[in-house]
Amino acid sequence: QQQVKQSPQSLIVQKGGISIINCAYENTAFDYFPWYQQFPGKGPALLIAIRPDVSEKKEGRFTISFNKSAKQFSLHIMDSQPGDSATYFCAARSNDYKLSFGAGTTVTVRA
Amino acid sequence: DVKVTQSSRYLVKRTGEKVFLECVQDMDHENMFWYRQDPGLGLRLIYFSYDVKMKEKGDIPEGYSVSREKKERFSLILESASTNQTSMYLCASRPTGFYGYTFGSGTRLTVV
Repeated sequence: QQQVKQSPQSLIVQKGGISIINCAYENTAFDYFPWYQQFPGKGPALLIAIRPDVSEKKEGRFTISFNKSAKQFSLHIMDSQPGDSATYFCAARSNDYKLSFGAGTTVTVRA
Repeated sequence: DVKVTQSSRYLVKRTGEKVFLECVQDMDHENMFWYRQDPGLGLRLIYFSYDVKMKEKGDIPEGYSVSREKKERFSLILESASTNQTSMYLCASRPTGFYGYTFGSGTRLTVV
């Protein structure tokens, strides 16, 4: 049973468009919510992360929105570029410092 | 640049073989992790280690064991490989008190 539910499984967006990936969790003990980006043949790399006392965090074209009461968080990729084509994983950290990952979303940006 | 190195990119093993997957990190991190990655399931934690000679079971430890004799090296062992262990295996490390994991590039294991 997955502790972090991620959707959609895949999405296709045109260059310049917005990609949105959603995640939901049940465990209120989670205290750190990172997003990882994975290119084919590579391991996941930390992209951006947020703490639950913050509702939004932006780094360049990537923004995390966090809704603590709904236990949901999302990744927005603004002005999507072909180089953003990758698999994205949301994750949540429990108080024993382990990360639980979502199932992943494959993003394809069409030029 | 910090690195987590997994010794093999691709492995093909036969059912029943004992398989060793090796992971080495050069960052002096205390914490190391083994995940397996399967389509539609994301990354699932197999085992982790907080220190040398220490190990903890993750969410799916059945059929696996680990060894950590030195701080920089964390080995995943499949005692008797089975076809349902065909997967991508990812090693990661993290320093104590820090949030971010550094992942290796993965080992794609096929058991035939």
